[in-house]
Amino acid sequence: GEDVEQSLFLSVREGDSSVINCTYTDSSSTYLYWYKQEPGAGLQLLTYIFSNMDMKQDQRLTVLLNKKDKHLSLRIADTQTGDSAIYFCAEGESGGYQKVTFGIGTKLQVIP
Amino acid sequence: EAGVTQFPSHSVIEKGQTVTLRCDPISGHDNLYWYRRVMGKEIKFLLHFVKESKQDESGMPNNRFLAERTGGTYSTLKVQPAELEDSGVYFCASSQEGLASSNEQFFGPGTRLTVL
Repeated sequence: GEDVEQSLFLSVREGDSSVINCTYTDSSSTYLYWYKQEPGAGLQLLTYIFSNMDMKQDQRLTVLLNKKDKHLSLRIADTQTGDSAIYFCAEGESGGYQKVTFGIGTKLQVIP
Repeated sequence: EAGVTQFPSHSVIEKGQTVTLRCDPISGHDNLYWYRRVMGKEIKFLLHFVKESKQDESGMPNNRFLAERTGGTYSTLKVQPAELEDSGVYFCASSQEGLASSNEQFFGPGTRLTVL
């Protein structure tokens, strides 16, 4: 079955880069997602990558995908206190028509 | 444009009682999803509606859970009777069919259910 794994906690200093890692098992995944959840809020889609891509950059965010190892990472450059949140790695098939499988979420703490 | 809304934001009930959660998707979104996050666990898919039809309900835990989407607009998720293990945060999401992008699912803020 599908399984998405990620570490529970990451602490970085403001201004440093953050790297959140994730592994998944479903080789048929079409889309890999990163969602952000701030306290008291719903899940917000941060970025996504197609499974046929290796990298995607969007301002301070860089997503790297190693399809062979089924490893996904999210790098946040110049991490700010406002980046403190829970980050969920997720995989999906068929571009969102079907269910999305989430990891447990990595809590990012940014220290001023 | 209003996002996905959920009601109530919090619900505290006793074991054996009934609770109904409501989700209002973004207007015009045909796809509606329910997910649940039990404390310390992953967010798990429950079911998926396309308009008023259940497309995939493989994640529904048992027959104490009943989801409806009459008229293809808002959806309700009823838990009857509630058990302790039903406690968690219930998220609703919606997406628009036919987009050429990621078919992003837009999530609501969730309903936190506590069963005592």
